Order: sequence, then C-alpha cells, then structure tokens
Amino acid sequence: DIQMTQSPSSLSASVGDRVTITCRASQSISSYLNWYQQKPEKAPKLLIFGASSLQGEVPSRFSGSGSGTDFTLTISSLQPEDFATYYCQQTFSIPLTFGGGTKVEIK
Amino acid sequence: QVQLQESGPGLVKPPETLSLTCTVSGASISSYYWSWIRQPPGKGLEWIGYISYTGSTKYNPSLQSRVSFSIDTSKNQFSLKLTSVTAADTAVYHCARRQFGSGREWFDPWGQGTPVTVSS
Repeated sequence: DIQMTQSPSSLSASVGDRVTITCRASQSISSYLNWYQQKPEKAPKLLIFGASSLQGEVPSRFSGSGSGTDFTLTISSLQPEDFATYYCQQTFSIPLTFGGGTKVEIK
Repeated sequence: QVQLQESGPGLVKPPETLSLTCTVSGASISSYYWSWIRQPPGKGLEWIGYISYTGSTKYNPSLQSRVSFSIDTSKNQFSLKLTSVTAADTAVYHCARRQFGSGREWFDPWGQGTPVTVSS
C-alpha cells in the first residue's frame, strides 16, 4: 500500500495568513493526488484533483502543487470559513489511501 | 445538485453483518461509479471500495474477504455489507460519487456520513 504522510498534523493560524500543508507519498504517484476539506460533522469536500486542478466552485485562494512524492496545498489568505481538517488522497494504485489529516485551527 | 444520503442501523453486534444504503438524488446512479469510505473515531479516512453502475466492484484488499457492494438502479441506491464485524469496524461511513477526468479520479460529492458502533 502507498502510505501518505501529511505535515503538520495540526497548525494554528490567523485570518489572512498564508498556510501551507505538505503531503508525502511513500512512492511516486505522478500527479494522482487529491485534496479534501472536512468540517466537523460535515461531508468531506473536494478542493483539488490531479495535484493542481481546482474543483469548479473552490475559491482561488486554494492551490495545489507537486508531482512524484511531494505535494503541497496552499491557502494564500486564510479566511474564517477555512478552519477545518484537510486530507490528501492518492489514486495512483489500489488501495486508494488518504493522509492522516491536517487540522487548521484559529490562532 | 447531486446529494448522497447514507442510512442504516447505528449499532451492530459483533460478529453480525453491517448493512448500509446510500440514496442518490440529483443524478442517475446508472451514469457513474460509487464508493464507500469510512472514518474511525479520531482517525483518518479509509477507502472501502467502489461499484460501477454495471455492478462491477473493486474492494480494499484489507476488507475484501468481508465486504460486498450492490446497486439498485430502480431505487437509485447502492449498498454495503460488511460481515463478521468487530469493534475495529466502528466508524462513520460515507458514500461518495467517483468521478474521472484527464486520466485522474476523485470523489465528489460525499454524503455526510452515518455513524456505526459495533458493540455487544
């Protein structure tokens, strides 16, 4: 199985901050990498697919980059509604696997 | 707007069978692939598998011996059965639509999830 490691596991930030979350795969996954946002008691929401393609309704302050084993999710200017947990997911091979999550909290 | 809603018993005794259904609205179930993902308390997400509108399936090898999916196009529903459950199967179970594009795949949208506790 491909292991997905996210860092940090949690972070505290203020509104307006630039936030970067990292996801590392245990082997190369090309750009078969998605990012999801999950708020408490809510369904996960797709943010980015194919490492860098923004899902249609997602604000442009979200961006994704990377290829191979190292990937990044960036929020250019954190907004109050962005406080949530973020997960990466690889779809390169079965079983599809997720990172452990990064919880973004208010500073 | 496509919406998914999970339903099923919130409590299952070991070693019985867990059965859940996902009802899809706003889209025909016959046009996509559909997936189940679970989230144990305080832990991350685990992909269980997916089923196509034709009924073909792909399961997580770690669960393959205990899991089965089915699809009912007349009701626009798909279902999960997990046999011989233990406390380790306690989780929130989400259903989701599997989508493709440019050679990539992703899950969108997801259901809110239904909590299942395995306990005697």
